Amino acid sequence: EPEVTQTPSHQVTQMGQEVILRCVPISNHLYFYWYRQILGQKVEFLVSFYNNEISEKSEIFDDQFSVERPDGSNFTLKIRSTKLEDSAMYFCASSVKEQFFGPGTRLTVL
Amino acid sequence: EDQVTQSPEALRLQEGESSSLNCSYTVSGLRGLFWYRQDPGKGPEFLFTLYSAGEEKEKERLKATLTKKESFLHITAPKPEDSATYLCAVLDGGGADGLTFGKGTHLIIQP
Repeated sequence: EPEVTQTPSHQVTQMGQEVILRCVPISNHLYFYWYRQILGQKVEFLVSFYNNEISEKSEIFDDQFSVERPDGSNFTLKIRSTKLEDSAMYFCASSVKEQFFGPGTRLTVL
Repeated sequence: EDQVTQSPEALRLQEGESSSLNCSYTVSGLRGLFWYRQDPGKGPEFLFTLYSAGEEKEKERLKATLTKKESFLHITAPKPEDSATYLCAVLDGGGADGLTFGKGTHLIIQP
């Protein structure tokens, strides 16, 4: 069964460093998303991406964040200068109708 | 602003003891209500989509129902492997792409 994959599973970085989180969506899906979940809190929408451009973004998705689909399979989230409060699980999702989520990347900012 | 409230926050049941989880929502127009299962340290796993009041969906021991204000996830004769956090999410009819999630119900099924 096709699934969304994410790498790395765990990323540790120093405050102020740039990180890139990678996702491979399900191959025939057209819509791609990033969500985050801070430990013990609810899953929060960050951004959606369709037809090679951002479709919608939340208030969380400020200028420190960017997304890209560099080739036909990968979808990336870049955080330009990480802060302590960026520590969270980051989930990629893709959809035709229902959104299917990947296993997540745990980002720890020290 | 969309709101999704799930209750109870946590529920402990004996194996075989049926119960229901509640999700109440406030949206400007509902494009879909979704149930997911989340195991610790994992991503949400899709269970059901409900689109209109009166709709019901079933999968094994789970049944989801929808009214105009809330959804229920009924768990019949649960087993320990049903232990997980169950998340409810809504998609607003105002054209938004992102799901708005509730905080989830942490379900523990004791053997």
